[in-house]
Amino acid sequence: DAKTTQPPSMDCAEGRAANLPCNHSTISGNEYVYWYRQIHSQGPQYIIHGLKNNETNEMASLIITEDRKSSTLILPHATLRDTAVYYCIVRVGSSNTGKLIFGQGTTLQVKP
Amino acid sequence: NAGVTQTPKFQVLKTGQSMTLQCAQDMNHEYMSWYRQDPGMGLRLIHYSVGAGITDQGEVPNGYNVSRSTTEDFPLRLLSAAPSQTSVYFCASSYLQGTEAFFGQGTRLTVV
Repeated sequence: DAKTTQPPSMDCAEGRAANLPCNHSTISGNEYVYWYRQIHSQGPQYIIHGLKNNETNEMASLIITEDRKSSTLILPHATLRDTAVYYCIVRVGSSNTGKLIFGQGTTLQVKP
Repeated sequence: NAGVTQTPKFQVLKTGQSMTLQCAQDMNHEYMSWYRQDPGMGLRLIHYSVGAGITDQGEVPNGYNVSRSTTEDFPLRLLSAAPSQTSVYFCASSYLQGTEAFFGQGTRLTVV
């Protein structure tokens, strides 16, 4: 699976959009981009995933560049409860026959 | 529907002792896995299973055994605990053709 690079930490004001970048310059054509988050040492929580088109669900939006070498997770209106470590993961296929390989992630601090 | 349940939540072991960390899911998921998370780091895959009777090694399998006799349960065994196994352990499950992994709340293990 391709390696990802994320900034170690970011701050965001409450109510503003949080934009979390991820670099995956060695991604292959059949690898999907996944995002998970981990709130205060709880078990990780799935957020969203995509292949090459932008995706949106009730939690977030995922923007993938046309060359697929980077992506951005957008939390449109961050709240204090969104303070967490966010993990960007790339993996082959959209099913779970493969492995989730977690990096260090980005610690997002949402401030009042 | 309890999701993924891990027991115990906390455990202290002496070096050389053995124990089993329990993981159960009630979602009829085929895929189950075990991760460990050391302070300030992302999760690392220990072992995984794609169905009853089938297990395989992840990134850091040494010192751990698993078995999968039923779809619901995936216990992790430490045969002779070492201080290096002090960590937080997470169990996860998902459908093989699903896109989202569900994690338990973790077992915090200290080996003294």
